[in-house]
Amino acid sequence: KAGVTQTPRYLIKTRGQQVTLSCSPISGHRSVSWYQQTPGQGLQFLFEYFSETQRNKGNFPGRFSGRQFSNSRSEMNVSTLELGDSALYLCASSLNRDPPEQYFGPGTRLTVT
Amino acid sequence: AQTVTQSQPEMSVQEAETVTLSCTYDTSENNYYLFWYKQPPSRQMILVIRQEAYKQQNATENRFSVNFQKAAKSFSLKISDSQLGDTAMYFCAFMKAEYGNKLVFGAGTILRVKS
Repeated sequence: KAGVTQTPRYLIKTRGQQVTLSCSPISGHRSVSWYQQTPGQGLQFLFEYFSETQRNKGNFPGRFSGRQFSNSRSEMNVSTLELGDSALYLCASSLNRDPPEQYFGPGTRLTVT
Repeated sequence: AQTVTQSQPEMSVQEAETVTLSCTYDTSENNYYLFWYKQPPSRQMILVIRQEAYKQQNATENRFSVNFQKAAKSFSLKISDSQLGDTAMYFCAFMKAEYGNKLVFGAGTILRVKS
């Protein structure tokens, strides 16, 4: 089975621009979660989508948004980029079952200049 | 809100020896899960081990085992027979049960295995 894939792997953007990151979950997984990893703040939860609905949301400003499509693929968008948005963005997919187990993608490294 | 604390920023161990990474957490929940994830230099997050809070028995996965002390809110990871490939950042994480898949991570511990 193919793992979680994220595109692009690397991205360089300018302050003020917007960016869209994509995540394709493992086949059959309907839950997709996004995390931001920075040296200063560590790993922080952004949001989770399940069956095209946002199920959980972290404490990030409204510039961070996401969506999930009917095939469970998810995108996250960051508008009006700031230097502090430079980070590794990780996506994780999961079967919605107990006990839970999240499988992570390789991440997208975003650099804002 | 839940918090996860890893008090050891860095640790090192000789190959073939045993090392224990510490983790404490704070929650008022009774039903939850705890995890240890490994992130090697490739940045790929890999699940090492999982513990259900309702289980008293400590989880074990090959060379990896945990010491789960629910009352003390402590969840340490023991790595036996350390190997060079164990060199990585290790994250302790908490997930509330029946609340979707939201992980709360600790700050991480860098583990270096020396030959």
